[in-house]
Amino acid sequence: GAGVSQSPRYKVAKRGQDVALRCDPISGHVSLFWYQQALGQGPEFLTYFQNEAQLDKSGLPSDRFFAERPEGSVSTLKIQRTQQEDSAVYLCASRYGVAGTGELFFGEGSRLTVL
Amino acid sequence: QKEVEQDPGPLSVPEGAIVSLNCTYSNSAFQYFMWYRQYSRKGPELLMYTYSSGNKEDGRFTAQVDKSSKYISLFIRDSQPSDSATYLCAMSKAAGNKLTFGGGTRVLVKP
Repeated sequence: GAGVSQSPRYKVAKRGQDVALRCDPISGHVSLFWYQQALGQGPEFLTYFQNEAQLDKSGLPSDRFFAERPEGSVSTLKIQRTQQEDSAVYLCASRYGVAGTGELFFGEGSRLTVL
Repeated sequence: QKEVEQDPGPLSVPEGAIVSLNCTYSNSAFQYFMWYRQYSRKGPELLMYTYSSGNKEDGRFTAQVDKSSKYISLFIRDSQPSDSATYLCAMSKAAGNKLTFGGGTRVLVKP
């Protein structure tokens, strides 16, 4: 596709349910980031992949959050036993290169609401 | 206290006015500075990218970085209603590294 694609765009979960959010980066993009954006706030870093390797997961808020990118393309962010404080927009972003000043392209996000 | 502070606004200006946005930060390790625009229910899109201190101009947009004061600015000249959006500053310690964002400033340009 032309841009970063995320699904589902909207997800409503009951507290305690597990959710999985998918990110399809731009084809050929090596770097992939996940960010969490709470209502009225800026995005906050969650985790970073270079190809299939998860090089930085320092932003994951708890062990209920897990991300993978097994084949170096599509990535999934999984949240187990969701809590109300997990309600946010989850943004995926990809970049062609590993480092340097290449532009980071964001998807439209997956909006998670936990009831 | 957050590493990057940004006034949330909203900032309301008449069409044609200059919009002035800024961020302050506390970590002197930040070297790369960006401004993103985010429309409602959309992802952020990159507007300006600067390295270290100095000015950069691109069309109606001017970005300024003052590392000695830990202060960055974005100016939008001849503002249009289509400029109405949330503007996010972001910065990183190294090129390609993870970004630290400000909270965003909501801008309304009234026709």
